[in-house]
Amino acid sequence: KQEVTQIPAALSVPEGENLVLNCSFTDSAIYNLQWFRQDPGKGLTSLLLIQSSQREQTSGRLNASLDKSSGRSTLYIAASQPGDSATYLCAVRYPDYKLSFGAGTTVTVRA
Amino acid sequence: GAVVSQHPSRVICKSGTSVKIECRSLDFQATTMFWYRQFPKKSLMLMATSNEGSKATYEQGVEKDKFLINHASLTLSTLTVTSAHPEDSSFYICSASEGSGEWGTDTQYFGPGTRLTVL
Repeated sequence: KQEVTQIPAALSVPEGENLVLNCSFTDSAIYNLQWFRQDPGKGLTSLLLIQSSQREQTSGRLNASLDKSSGRSTLYIAASQPGDSATYLCAVRYPDYKLSFGAGTTVTVRA
Repeated sequence: GAVVSQHPSRVICKSGTSVKIECRSLDFQATTMFWYRQFPKKSLMLMATSNEGSKATYEQGVEKDKFLINHASLTLSTLTVTSAHPEDSSFYICSASEGSGEWGTDTQYFGPGTRLTVL
């Protein structure tokens, strides 16, 4: 069974602090890995997608790294803002084209 | 960008009734659509995959007679929860992909979700 784990489950930081969110997966034979943001009661917003051949992707204050051999990805959010408060989900695409999701990390940025 | 809508966004029904949820791709043709279920503080669980014009493929443990999926056109898929019970209360999210998904590279675009509450 392909498992995706996200640690920590919840995180609270003061505004301005950098955020580090971790995602690990058991099967390294992935096609790509994607980070999503989910606001309470809402759908998913795609943040970054890293192909299996890539080591990292950047978009603005967001940077995601991928170490396929060790089954890990890290999402960095620089200079956090209250608007960054949300749940961040990691999802891995495997050869059967299905997405396996982690349970998410709920982030609270305190003003 | 690719937009996926879901209707309704929220539904409350009595136990024993059936509820239909629609998923539409607004600006692209969705060859493949996916239905997920999300419990509070849990990950999204794939329920089924549907390709336009063919029967849906259900994940292990998902009752196909309970969760009826129809993908009648390239822009519309429906999920019908039949004879709903309180344990079916959940957040249901659909996603749509332009490709058939065989090569694992097609992007899935997600809908905003539907909150189902069964009393």
